[in-house]
Amino acid sequence: GENVEQHPSTLSVQEGDSAVIKCTYSDSASNYFPWYKQELGKGPQLIIDIRSNVGEKKDQRIAVTLNKTAKHFSLHITETQPEDSAVYFCGGIKAAGNKLTFGGGTRVLVKP
Amino acid sequence: GAGVSQSPSNKVTEKGKDVELRCDPISGHTALYWYRQRLGQGLEFLIYFQGNSAPDKSGLPSDRFSAERTGESVSTLTIQRTQQEDSAVYLCASSLTRQFSGNTIYFGEGSWLTVV
Repeated sequence: GENVEQHPSTLSVQEGDSAVIKCTYSDSASNYFPWYKQELGKGPQLIIDIRSNVGEKKDQRIAVTLNKTAKHFSLHITETQPEDSAVYFCGGIKAAGNKLTFGGGTRVLVKP
Repeated sequence: GAGVSQSPSNKVTEKGKDVELRCDPISGHTALYWYRQRLGQGLEFLIYFQGNSAPDKSGLPSDRFSAERTGESVSTLTIQRTQQEDSAVYLCASSLTRQFSGNTIYFGEGSWLTVV
């Protein structure tokens, strides 16, 4: 089955700086890669996603890039703010599959 | 409601007791998932439903765990003879169809289970 690895496990950045989280996946048939943000005591919320026919997608301060050949994708947060502090999870899934496999999560701390 | 609803939000139970956790998916969502999240850990897949059937039960950790779904709506996750290692947040999620190529999975707020 699919295996998704996520790095780093923790990330501390100064407010205003950029944060980058990287994920790799094992199954070349995977074609949908969502990113979730989980705040303390809450369920994960989708913040951005990318399909395998797209190399990059951007939504305001958040962007995701996908390299299908290398089987890795990354989340980029620019101009970080304290409210960006949370745990972020990447996921991967096949079009015909039904199980969304998550990476281990990255705890992001934005220091004011 | 507009989102995935889970109950109870918090449950403390004694070791050895059975517990039932309920999930109300978003109306019209045919796919429903259960994940487990231990404190400070990642999201562990438990089971997936398409309609009322469960084509993927591969994540259920033992035969003490079971889940059912009725009316293509509400799902119940049952843990029998709870153990302390069952303490975790149990998250339910739903999506429109079984084809994940782009269909967003929406999560509930979770049921926090503590076994003492």
